[in-house]
Amino acid sequence: NAGVTQTPKFQVLKTGQSMTLQCAQDMNHEYMSWYRQDPGMGLRLIHYSVGAGITDQGEVPNGYNVSRSTTEDFPLRLLSAAPSQTSVYFCASSKPGLLTDTQYFGPGTRLTVL
Amino acid sequence: GESVGLHLPTLSVQEGDNSIINCAYSNSASDYFIWYKQESGKGPQFIIDIRSNMDKRQGQRVTVLLNKTVKHLSLQIAATQPGDSAVYFCAENIGGGSNYKLTFGKGTLLTVNP
Repeated sequence: NAGVTQTPKFQVLKTGQSMTLQCAQDMNHEYMSWYRQDPGMGLRLIHYSVGAGITDQGEVPNGYNVSRSTTEDFPLRLLSAAPSQTSVYFCASSKPGLLTDTQYFGPGTRLTVL
Repeated sequence: GESVGLHLPTLSVQEGDNSIINCAYSNSASDYFIWYKQESGKGPQFIIDIRSNMDKRQGQRVTVLLNKTVKHLSLQIAATQPGDSAVYFCAENIGGGSNYKLTFGKGTLLTVNP
């Protein structure tokens, strides 16, 4: 299994541009989430999904859209990038269990908005 | 707002010593806690978790202690090794005991000196 994969690894955008951060997992996990991590900070939840066709907002959803058309993929869209969205973005997936709901994180996408 | 925080932002230990990383949480409704390790340039990696109906859980060289009375969580690493050097985050889930909607602390940087 490849686990959780994210593309691209690095991206530079100009203010106002749009782009999609890709996330895919091959573990048949029901749950997927997007987080952003700013310097010296913990991760903050942007959006999450508990299954295909179901998404919901996290702590910092403004400026981001998501969709979940398949179990495997959970793309994050920036419609009009702003410098405040400069961050490292992590996608995570998990499968609920009785004792341990291990959440697997991808390697991250480092985004800079000029 | 309510948040998960850490007492110490940095911790430096000698190889072979035991390490203790602390975390305070403020939401008494939190019922699931996870410790993550994040190495430079990588995504967080699950270490160990604990539910609110437990006060201690052990893994391989790691132990998590939960004190609900004072809303305190700790991660103990036995015989710390240079490979343990990383940033450690605690995270909590409010309600449902699931891990797709987590609130993270800011992290503690652990440095292991050979």
